[in-house]
Amino acid sequence: EAAVTQSPRNKVTVTGGNVTLSCRQTNSHNYMYWYRQDTGHGLRLIHYSYGAGNLQIGDVPDGYKATRTTQEDFFLLLELASPSQTSLYFCASSPRTSNERLFFGHGTKLSVL
Amino acid sequence: QQQVRQSPQSLTVWEGETAILNCSYENSAFDYFPWYQQFPGEGPALLISILSVSDKKEDGRFTIFFNKREKKLSLHIADSQPGDSATYFCAASVPGNTGKLIFGLGTTLQVQP
Repeated sequence: EAAVTQSPRNKVTVTGGNVTLSCRQTNSHNYMYWYRQDTGHGLRLIHYSYGAGNLQIGDVPDGYKATRTTQEDFFLLLELASPSQTSLYFCASSPRTSNERLFFGHGTKLSVL
Repeated sequence: QQQVRQSPQSLTVWEGETAILNCSYENSAFDYFPWYQQFPGEGPALLISILSVSDKKEDGRFTIFFNKREKKLSLHIADSQPGDSATYFCAASVPGNTGKLIFGLGTTLQVQP
């Protein structure tokens, strides 16, 4: 079973704060994704990547940066956090494209006060 | 606008009944439709999927019925069990090698013993 590990599991910050969410997958998957999950909006794609150094813009990218440093590691950066970014964030990976199974992590709950 | 719509928002059935979860979509170019199951505190996990060239897909108690002409599909859960209580997301894949999935807002299923 593919493993996707997110850290931290919970994070509280203040408006204007700087936050980095981390994700590591150990299955040599090419694709990695960052989603946010909100009541009434479901899962929305923020950014994704198909390899180290690559970054693709998702559907709700404003206020977020991402970086894929290695095949295994994908980071989501909030440089000036706002209360609207309070959400549950999921990282996922897949072998090739979204037409293959996505493996999700357990999520990071972020609160911006 | 929501490209993938799910109904009902929530559903309660008795143990042993068949639960029917509905999904419809806007873009006739969508060609792959996975259903993800999510338990509280966990990330979504792939349950079953179907390609647009098929009209039915079965996996144990789970069956997808697909109507391409009407742009509708449904997930039937036969002999529902309390352990099936979860949120179910219908998703659709953008054609090509874009790596993107569009998720619906989900249906929360409660199976009463």
